[in-house]
Amino acid sequence: NAGVMQNPRHLVRRRGQEARLRCSPMKGHSHVYWYRQLPEEGLKFMVYLQKENIIDESGMPKERFSAEFPKEGPSILRIQQVVRGDSAAYFCASSPRVDRSTDTQYFGPGTRLTVL
Amino acid sequence: KQEVTQIPAALSVPEGENLVLNCSFTDSAIYNLQWFRQDPGKGLTSLLLIQSSQREQTSGRLNASLDKSSGRSTLYIAASQPGDSATYLCAAILDRGSTLGRLYFGRGTQLTVWP
Repeated sequence: NAGVMQNPRHLVRRRGQEARLRCSPMKGHSHVYWYRQLPEEGLKFMVYLQKENIIDESGMPKERFSAEFPKEGPSILRIQQVVRGDSAAYFCASSPRVDRSTDTQYFGPGTRLTVL
Repeated sequence: KQEVTQIPAALSVPEGENLVLNCSFTDSAIYNLQWFRQDPGKGLTSLLLIQSSQREQTSGRLNASLDKSSGRSTLYIAASQPGDSATYLCAAILDRGSTLGRLYFGRGTQLTVWP
């Protein structure tokens, strides 16, 4: 059973371009979380999705950021018109959500976004 | 709002020492607490998960305790090895419907174990 897959692992964008980050959860997992780790800071929650539904997006900036988890295919975190402050490591995690008292979130290796 | 603090921020010890990493949280209404390990340039690996009804969990040389009333968790590493060098993160899930699933992370303790 492959772990959580994220691609690309490294992404370089110029200011104003769009960044698309992909996350394939573990097999059988229907819940996906995105977190951002800014330099010298801890991981911060961004958004929580189930298949075709956004459950909690309260951690996501109101503008330029969007996320989706379609019925088929990976979850996508999209950042439009990137700025230097978006440079960070973006981590995706998945869980089966069978029992929230025991479910652990399994993390991918992250995508490191650098905005020039 | 849940605040998670980890002390110390960095720790450097010789091989073989027993270690204690501390984590404190402001909101005692946690559902569970997890300890993770993060290696440079890599993702997070879950080490231990303690449910709110439990007081501790053990896995090999690792033991994690949880005291909800005082808002503290401790990760104990016995007989440390150079391979234990990494950043250790604690994270809490609140027992609140509106934040279901959200992990609140501390900034981590960067551990270096030298031979």
